[in-house]
Amino acid sequence: DQQVKQNSPSLSVQEGRISILNCDYTNSMFDYFLWYKKYPAEGPTFLISISSIKDKNEDGRFTVFLNKSAKHLSLHIVPSQPGDSAVYFCAAWFAGKSTFGDGTTLTVKP
Amino acid sequence: NAGVMQNPRHLVRRRGQEARLRCSPMKGHSHVYWYRQLPEEGLKFMVYLQKENIIDESGMPKERFSAEFPKEGPSILRIQQVVRGDSAAYFCATQTSGFNEKLFFGSGTQLSVL
Repeated sequence: DQQVKQNSPSLSVQEGRISILNCDYTNSMFDYFLWYKKYPAEGPTFLISISSIKDKNEDGRFTVFLNKSAKHLSLHIVPSQPGDSAVYFCAAWFAGKSTFGDGTTLTVKP
Repeated sequence: NAGVMQNPRHLVRRRGQEARLRCSPMKGHSHVYWYRQLPEEGLKFMVYLQKENIIDESGMPKERFSAEFPKEGPSILRIQQVVRGDSAAYFCATQTSGFNEKLFFGSGTQLSVL
């Protein structure tokens, strides 16, 4: 029973365009959501987060949107840059534990 | 990732041997989480520890796997009698409070079982 799902294993976009990464969850008790970015042979690094009481959080080129009724989370990267090419994980917190999706590999083409 | 130290980076073991993975948290972090990433899969929660206490081990296999975080020294994830299916990347993550906040990850230990 996978509580956090990233249904697109990969995404390819052109440099300068928008990247939209999606995440769906099933547990309505999740109350805090995060996105992490991971390069090969490195651990994930925190990118951006959002509390369940908000529906949008923005940090520079990165914006996270939360639709609680749909149990859906998305990460927008505008404009996309080649250095953004990485694996992106969404994660959800509940009861002191963070549950991760399987990740989406983003490739930004120059 | 600076600050959370995992070693070794790569560990090769033969079937039946023991694997010991170490994690030193960032300064000031007393909450440690271990995650496993199998090939082509995401990060799967294994165990959550605070100093000298296991808080949640619901993700740990019932046999052969154990974890500790002693009062002094790093957190240790131990896998006894390793099998090929244990081959994976094992990540340690730490934080200050154990509540809703970001995790700081180490670079991981890649375990290969021959």
